[in-house]
Amino acid sequence: QQQVKQSPQSLIVQKGGISIINCAYENTAFDYFPWYQQFPGKGPALLIAIRPDVSEKKEGRFTISFNKSAKQFSLHIMDSQPGDSATYFCAASLGGGNMLTFGGGTRLMVKP
Amino acid sequence: GAVVSQHPSRVICKSGTSVKIECRSLDFQATTMFWYRQFPKQSLMLMATSNEGSKATYEQGVEKDKFLINHASLTLSTLTVTSAHPEDSSFYICSARDQRGGGYRNEQFFGPGTRLTVL
Repeated sequence: QQQVKQSPQSLIVQKGGISIINCAYENTAFDYFPWYQQFPGKGPALLIAIRPDVSEKKEGRFTISFNKSAKQFSLHIMDSQPGDSATYFCAASLGGGNMLTFGGGTRLMVKP
Repeated sequence: GAVVSQHPSRVICKSGTSVKIECRSLDFQATTMFWYRQFPKQSLMLMATSNEGSKATYEQGVEKDKFLINHASLTLSTLTVTSAHPEDSSFYICSARDQRGGGYRNEQFFGPGTRLTVL
């Protein structure tokens, strides 16, 4: 049973545009929702994370929007750059960084 | 800060041999380490969780006798793939977490991964 569903699987955005990736979860006990960025042949790196007591968190060009009632959260990348081209994973867990359940990933390509 | 290293980064071995992968937390003490497996263009699948000084907890479907995990210190965990076969070829990634909290806020920090190819 896939507990975190991520969409789209792939995304192409023009430079300067907004990239939006969505995730939906099933377990209402999840209390930590991070996003990771992974370049080919590298391990994932934490990008930004949110807890369910806030509806939005912004760090630079990256924003997480969180909708607790809909059990959904999304990553927005503003002013997308070619260097943002990577695979993005959402995740969810209980108790902070413990036992992460990952979404299926989104391959983002930002065209110059 | 919060750097996790893995060694080796790539390994090629013959079928039937054993391969050991090391995971180190370089600037913090990792009370918990996680091992993941990632096939091409797929997500990370958790294989096992290990706490320092304790036996690892394996996810359903992961053979504990094939994937031996040792977490003997707060900065080192090893994954040994025993009697490796071509279907074990994958990208293995470890992560580390200081469950005691503090400056790193209980985050999981990931290593750069190890590409295993079994011929």
